[in-house]
Amino acid sequence: EVQLVESGGGLVKPGGSLRLSCEASGFTFSKAWMSWVRQAPGKGLEWVGRIVSSADGGATQYAAPLKGRVSISRDDSKSTVDLQINSLRVDDTAVYYCTTDLTFWGHGSLVIVSS
Amino acid sequence: QSALTQPRSVSGSPGQSVTISCTGTTSDIGRYDYVSWYQQLPGKAPKLIVYDVYKRPSGVPDRFSASKSGNTASLTISGLLTEDEGDYYCCSYGGLSVVYVFGTGTTVSVL
Repeated sequence: EVQLVESGGGLVKPGGSLRLSCEASGFTFSKAWMSWVRQAPGKGLEWVGRIVSSADGGATQYAAPLKGRVSISRDDSKSTVDLQINSLRVDDTAVYYCTTDLTFWGHGSLVIVSS
Repeated sequence: QSALTQPRSVSGSPGQSVTISCTGTTSDIGRYDYVSWYQQLPGKAPKLIVYDVYKRPSGVPDRFSASKSGNTASLTISGLLTEDEGDYYCCSYGGLSVVYVFGTGTTVSVL
């Protein structure tokens, strides 16, 4: 069974940084392309970015509005994928989902940006 | 890249059918056969119910069907059940510079 478990969310002040982690199991993580998606309270889904498998080059791609403030990395030895968000703004408040490139989804991790 | 356009809400009685449209552009839906649909039940994470325009993952009932014509994709739910109530999102691949774009979301109500 595919499982994706996000961690690292919480309350952060504007201008701060946060690192979310996603631990994967139930599939061959090293071959998977992984995406992060976020959902602001009461709003729709927004694709944040993705990292391709190491075998396919490990490249990252990010949504244009977030480029420069986010970065995604992976550790195939630990089956984890991380999302780093810098210069956090109030409108970054959202549930952040880890996904196997939009096929399987974790339960999400809530990030609240507030002073 | 703007979000794909979906109706805000659709509703139907149990047993009826509803169709949700998803309108994009020639840069996303119109160019690629990589449209997916997601069901998000209240308080839950999204779940993939259709991929590659019309294919259903294992375990998704055939009451859910989907298609695409030009720049518009559609999801039809037949034989509505109360358990189908929730939000539905379409998503399309948009090329290397955009990658993925989601729809605005549609709330399905079973009256």
